[in-house]
Amino acid sequence: KQEVTQIPAALSVPEGENLVLNCSFTDSAIYNLQWFRQDPGKGLTSLLLIQSSQREQTSGRLNASLDKSSGRSTLYIAASQPGDSATYLCAVATRDFNKFYFGSGTKLNVKP
Amino acid sequence: DTAVSQTPKYLVTQMGNDKSIKCEQNLGHDTMYWYKQDSKKFLKIMFSYNNKELIINETVPNRFSPKSPDKAHLNLHINSLELGDSAVYFCASRPNRGDSPLHFGNGTRLTVT
Repeated sequence: KQEVTQIPAALSVPEGENLVLNCSFTDSAIYNLQWFRQDPGKGLTSLLLIQSSQREQTSGRLNASLDKSSGRSTLYIAASQPGDSATYLCAVATRDFNKFYFGSGTKLNVKP
Repeated sequence: DTAVSQTPKYLVTQMGNDKSIKCEQNLGHDTMYWYKQDSKKFLKIMFSYNNKELIINETVPNRFSPKSPDKAHLNLHINSLELGDSAVYFCASRPNRGDSPLHFGNGTRLTVT
């Protein structure tokens, strides 16, 4: 069964820093990997989706990479801002694209 | 607004009661899900429907019964509520294209007292 782990569980950085969030998964037979953001009391908002054949995706200050063979993905946030404070979750989709397995998230706090 | 909408946002009830949570999506998506998020923020899949057909039924007590009257709606009925059912329940949807992300509702916080 697929297991998804995110490290660190929490991260506090000063504004302006570049930072990396990590996601690892045990079964490399995935369809795609998604990074989400969750604000308190809200649902999840999709940030980036990487297909299993891709190595990375970029959106603005966010860059996500995927190394399927080693079971790892990273989310790089450039020039962090207080508005980036949220919980970031990664999810991997099974090969039949029906199930998504989530990590427990990294809670990010960007201090002004 | 195009979205996944859930009602109610908050639900407080006593043990033993029966309650329902409703979900609607106007995105034209084919597949809908129910996820449960526990106090440690861990999201676990419960059910999934594709065009009104049940395709995923995880190890969930049979007190939980999903119902999809059409592909835009997926409701969750819970019988004989227990304290351990307290959690945030999220509805999500996606199209049948592999390059499209999941879209989530804002969640229903269920508190069983």
